[in-house]
Amino acid sequence: EAGVTQSPTHLIKTRGQQATLRCSPISGHTSVYWYQQALGLGLQFLLWYDEGEERNRGNFPPRFSGRQFPNYSSELNVNALELEDSALYLCASSLMGQPADGYTFGSGTRLTVV
Amino acid sequence: AQRVTQPEKLLSVFKGAPVELKCNYSYSGSPELFWYVQYSRQRLQLLLRHISRESIKGFTADLNKGETSFHLKKPFAQEEDSAMYYCALQVINYQLIWGAGTKLIIKP
Repeated sequence: EAGVTQSPTHLIKTRGQQATLRCSPISGHTSVYWYQQALGLGLQFLLWYDEGEERNRGNFPPRFSGRQFPNYSSELNVNALELEDSALYLCASSLMGQPADGYTFGSGTRLTVV
Repeated sequence: AQRVTQPEKLLSVFKGAPVELKCNYSYSGSPELFWYVQYSRQRLQLLLRHISRESIKGFTADLNKGETSFHLKKPFAQEEDSAMYYCALQVINYQLIWGAGTKLIIKP
């Protein structure tokens, strides 16, 4: 069974540009979670999508947004990139309403803003 | 405020020695706590969940509500235990609050 896949693995953008990160969940999982992991910090919750709807978002500015497609894959968009957006972005998937031991994580996208 | 604190960024112990990775939390509700591990070049994966009370790879963790702690312990460390360990607290809407992580190094 394929795991959670994220693309691209690395992304280099210039300050002010937009970045788009993609995540494909495990087959059968309807929930997708996005986390930001900045250097030296723990994972910070960004967004949670389920059945195409945004269910919850963390304490991030509106320039962080996303969506979930009918096939449950998801995109994370970061507009007007700032240097401090440089981080590892992790995606996880689960069945709806499954506690955290049901999360499966992807390998992440390393975003570098220069 | 909801918070998870892992006070040690780095913990280095000798093989065969006991290991304790500390985790303290702040949460007004009933806590759901987890330990995740990330081995070198591998994905983040669940190690254990407090409700299951299982011992995984020799690790155990006991929830102490009085001390608001969920420390991870192993009586005899092995070299393959070297990894990053994260403590996480699940709050409402299935959101996870994460600690900053502890890098565990097991010396031969």
